[in-house]
Amino acid sequence: DAKTTQPPSMDCAEGRAANLPCNHSTISGNEYVYWYRQIHSQGPQYIIHGLKNNETNEMASLIITEDRKSSTLILPHATLRDTAVYYCIVSSSYNQGGKLIFGQGTELSVKP
Amino acid sequence: SQTIHQWPATLVQPVGSPLSLECTVEGTSNPNLYWYRQAAGRGLQLLFYSVGIGQISSEVPQNLSASRPQDRQFILSSKKLLLSDSGFYLCAWRPLYRGLGVNYGYTFGSGTRLTVV
Repeated sequence: DAKTTQPPSMDCAEGRAANLPCNHSTISGNEYVYWYRQIHSQGPQYIIHGLKNNETNEMASLIITEDRKSSTLILPHATLRDTAVYYCIVSSSYNQGGKLIFGQGTELSVKP
Repeated sequence: SQTIHQWPATLVQPVGSPLSLECTVEGTSNPNLYWYRQAAGRGLQLLFYSVGIGQISSEVPQNLSASRPQDRQFILSSKKLLLSDSGFYLCAWRPLYRGLGVNYGYTFGSGTRLTVV
């Protein structure tokens, strides 16, 4: 599985957009980009995923560069409840059981 | 709708005692199942995954084992716990791959916080 690189921490003002970057320069053609977040003492929560097109759902938007070597998760209007560790993961849906290997993630702090 | 159940929520066990954590999934069939451990508040470590009944893949050598006796049941076990087995254990599932157009995102259980004393 390709590895990802994320900044260890970021701050964001409440109500502003939070833009979380992720580098995955060794991503292969059949690997998706997944984003999860983990609020303290809870299991990780799925946010969004994509292959090569930008994606949007009720939680966030995912922007993937044309060469697929990096992506950005956008929380359009961050709230205090978005404070969490955000994980960017690249994984095939079927190789090796579709396993996800988590890195250290980005600890996002949303401040009033 | 699909749900995942994991229990117990917390567990305190003495060193050398056995362990059995159970995870069950409802509302789907043939899921891929996973056990993760989080030892230090961040960094989930994949322990085992299973793509079918009786099929277990181990990611790291350790004091633990996993079994999948039924399609939607995944069990994490140990014969003798070590202090280093303490941590937050998470079970997860995702749909079996069957082509494009399906969301293969993981769904995690609520976790078991194990303290070995």
